[in-house]
Order: sequence, then C-alpha cells, then structure tokens
Amino acid sequence: QVQLQESGPGLVKPSETLSLTCTVSGGSMNDYFWSWIRQTPGKALEWIGYIYYTGSVNYNPSFKSRVTISIDTSKSQFSLDLTSMTGADTAVYYCVRGEITIFDSWGRGSLVTVSS
Amino acid sequence: EIVLTQSPGTLSLSPGERASLSCRASQRISSRFLAWYQQKPGQAPRLLIYGEGNRATGIPDRFTGSGSGTEFTLTISRLEPEDFGVYFCQQYGSSPLFTFGPGTRVDV
Repeated sequence: QVQLQESGPGLVKPSETLSLTCTVSGGSMNDYFWSWIRQTPGKALEWIGYIYYTGSVNYNPSFKSRVTISIDTSKSQFSLDLTSMTGADTAVYYCVRGEITIFDSWGRGSLVTVSS
Repeated sequence: EIVLTQSPGTLSLSPGERASLSCRASQRISSRFLAWYQQKPGQAPRLLIYGEGNRATGIPDRFTGSGSGTEFTLTISRLEPEDFGVYFCQQYGSSPLFTFGPGTRVDV
C-alpha cells in the first residue's frame, strides 16, 4: 500500500518561499499524477498543481506565477516550491497521488504557518 | 471555473438513518468526473466514490453516488457511528483542472 509523507518547515516568513518534499513509499511513481493540495483554516480544499511521473506539469492558474512542482523518481520524491508567501497561504499542505480524474492516496498533511 | 456548492452545511442524524448529501455544479459536468471524499478530524480526505458511482477500495456498499448534469448526490443508506465527518465533492475537467465543494458536515 502506497504511503506519502510530507516534509518541510512548519513556519515561513512573509515574502519567503515555501519548499515541501513528499516521499513516496510502498509503490512506484510510474503511471500516476502527483499533486499538492492545500486546506485552509476554513477547511476549503484547493488544488495547487500536479506533476506526472514523466515530468509534465499542470498548475492551478491561481498559483501559476508562484508555483514550481518537480519530481525525482529515483528518490521516489516530488516537491513543491511556492514563492512570495503571505498569511493567506497558511494552510495544511497535502501531497497526493492521483489518477487522471481523482485523488486516491493522501499524505497526512503538513501545517505551514506564514508569520514573521 | 466550475463552482461546486454543497448542501446542507451540516447534517445531524442518528445511526441507522439515511443521509442524502447534495453537490451542485455551476455548469454541467460529466458524472465520470465527479468524486466524493470523506474527511475525519485530524485526517486527510479519503476517496469514497468516483466515476459513475464507483466505490473506492474498501468503501462499504451503504455509500452510493448518483446524479448527472449539475446535480449530484451522495447517499449513505444506513448511517454507522463511524460515518461522522466532512464530505467533499470534487470535479475534474475545467480550469482549474480540479475544484472541491465546501463540504457537508455529518454528525452522527
């Protein structure tokens, strides 16, 4: 059974860049889409973007100017960089495995707070 | 952008009762591209229903997804105590590629 685990800082200063990494275990990264989804304190879920195992990406236009998702299949990892962080970016960030239309396996989530 | 609206906001029911959760889309979407998730406190969402009413692995048959066009329903036929949580619908296919509804909280 595949497992996903987010890692990265829990606190980011305003205007800085958030970098998170997701480590995948128990399964291959091949043939899947690897997404980052966040959940704000009000509990809304927001898809940030995905990377296919081949390296092809698709981003939510709301984040397009600030987001980069990368993948290293040799390490079974994929990563999120989100620049120019503000308080509105405070959220739980999930790394998620998906097939083309759905999200079938989720990490436990990483709480990121933006504060000076 | 396709906006998903869920109702009611909160549903308070007793074990054994039937729950009907609504998800309304601002534009027509294919039922193949509508999914449902359950989230319990402190946990990540879990996939329940996808495609045209398909249950994800391990999901009991008391969970049923139905609907078409702009109106979709998740039905829990006989509530169990472990069915409490927040239920989200999600669509695929319009920019942004994925959007979620705001959720319906089920208190059992």
